[in-house]
Amino acid sequence: SQTIHQWPATLVQPVGSPLSLECTVEGTSNPNLYWYRQAAGRGLQLLFYSVGIGQISSEVPQNLSASRPQDRQFILSSKKLLLSDSGFYLCAWSGQANYGYTFGSGTRLTVV
Amino acid sequence: AQSVAQPEDQVNVAEGNPLTVKCTYSVSGNPYLFWYVQYPNRGLQFLLKYITGDNLVKGSYGFEAEFNKSQTSFHLKKPSALVSDSALYFCAVRLHSGNTPLVFGKGTRLSVIA
Repeated sequence: SQTIHQWPATLVQPVGSPLSLECTVEGTSNPNLYWYRQAAGRGLQLLFYSVGIGQISSEVPQNLSASRPQDRQFILSSKKLLLSDSGFYLCAWSGQANYGYTFGSGTRLTVV
Repeated sequence: AQSVAQPEDQVNVAEGNPLTVKCTYSVSGNPYLFWYVQYPNRGLQFLLKYITGDNLVKGSYGFEAEFNKSQTSFHLKKPSALVSDSALYFCAVRLHSGNTPLVFGKGTRLSVIA
């Protein structure tokens, strides 16, 4: 069966520090991968998605970037965090178009 | 462009009463529609989906949703609410064709009161 792993679960980082969040999927190949941010426990903002290795689509200009170095690995990064980067970050994967997403358990990022 | 509207930020219902969480969508083509639930500090969990076929879709935990093409709605329902149903609920839509990401509504917080 397919599983998705996302870590760390919580992270407290100072302003100006770098960020790296990792997401991996097991049990499937060539998944579509997504990074979302959820602010204040409400709506989801799509940040990046990828349909293949090295293929990244950015939905919103950010202080963030994403990379997909391997088929089932999706990394969210920042060189210098801002206070506004605080939030709950969710990774997700999908297969065929008629399937929805399977989400990871999320990372709570607090920038101080 | 695709969009989803969840007109209620909060829905309160007494335990044992029926519940409805509303969702309307806008898409230029045939939609795939989904409902997800989120418990505090957790990822989203899939509840149910409409792809094609019967307009009434049954999902996890006794939830169901009815696809209404003329009203472009996909309301989530449950005949008898439980306190444990209290959570944040998201409706989402994507087009049949292409590889476009899901578009999510802003979420509706459901509180079931004992």
